[in-house]
Amino acid sequence: SQQGEEDPQALSIQEGENATMNCSYKTSINNLQWYRQNSGRGLVHLILIRSNEREKHSGRLRVTLDTSKKSSSLLITASRAADTASYFCATPGDGGSNYKLTFGKGTLLTVNP
Amino acid sequence: KAGVTQTPRYLIKTRGQQVTLSCSPISGHRSVSWYQQTPGQGLQFLFEYFSETQRNKGNFPGRFSGRQFSNSRSEMNVSTLELGDSALYLCASSLGGEGTEAFFGQGTRLTVV
Repeated sequence: SQQGEEDPQALSIQEGENATMNCSYKTSINNLQWYRQNSGRGLVHLILIRSNEREKHSGRLRVTLDTSKKSSSLLITASRAADTASYFCATPGDGGSNYKLTFGKGTLLTVNP
Repeated sequence: KAGVTQTPRYLIKTRGQQVTLSCSPISGHRSVSWYQQTPGQGLQFLFEYFSETQRNKGNFPGRFSGRQFSNSRSEMNVSTLELGDSALYLCASSLGGEGTEAFFGQGTRLTVV
């Protein structure tokens, strides 16, 4: 079964708006990663947040982690058309290993110019 | 610093043939993981190699195999190809320690006809 589940499955917004994607997971984790994938291409690493961190920023990205609710959110501020992509959260496999990641189905974000 | 390089980018093979995909990790990274991505199943972990040893294996048939060389480059082989093996195959490299980021290549798009 999927460890991470993103919500919503699809999101369409206008350029300049903020986009929020959520991820829920089932078991305890020591970190969570977010990735972006442009259509049919490789995954681009966005950010890793550790279980002892509540919030992390990287440029226009803000990630939060709530281990009590087993959930994370990715906020993209002032979105651009170039942000159009699928976004995935990934959680570690057995023993916290990041070399055996489990991915959700992803959120397809469309930013309209 | 060069990223993860996967070759070839695209492949078309006939059912029953075999195929070998290559992945060169980021310099200094000793862990290479392979993932299969399909529209129906999403991203699924295949296996992971660290210092030429397979450390983890996903739930795939024995037709899927891999190896890692002393320079950390990895190859993945699929024998007796089936139509359902058509997918985007992604490799990820990391330092290999717990909680370290995994960086992905652009993937190899395999089409089995």
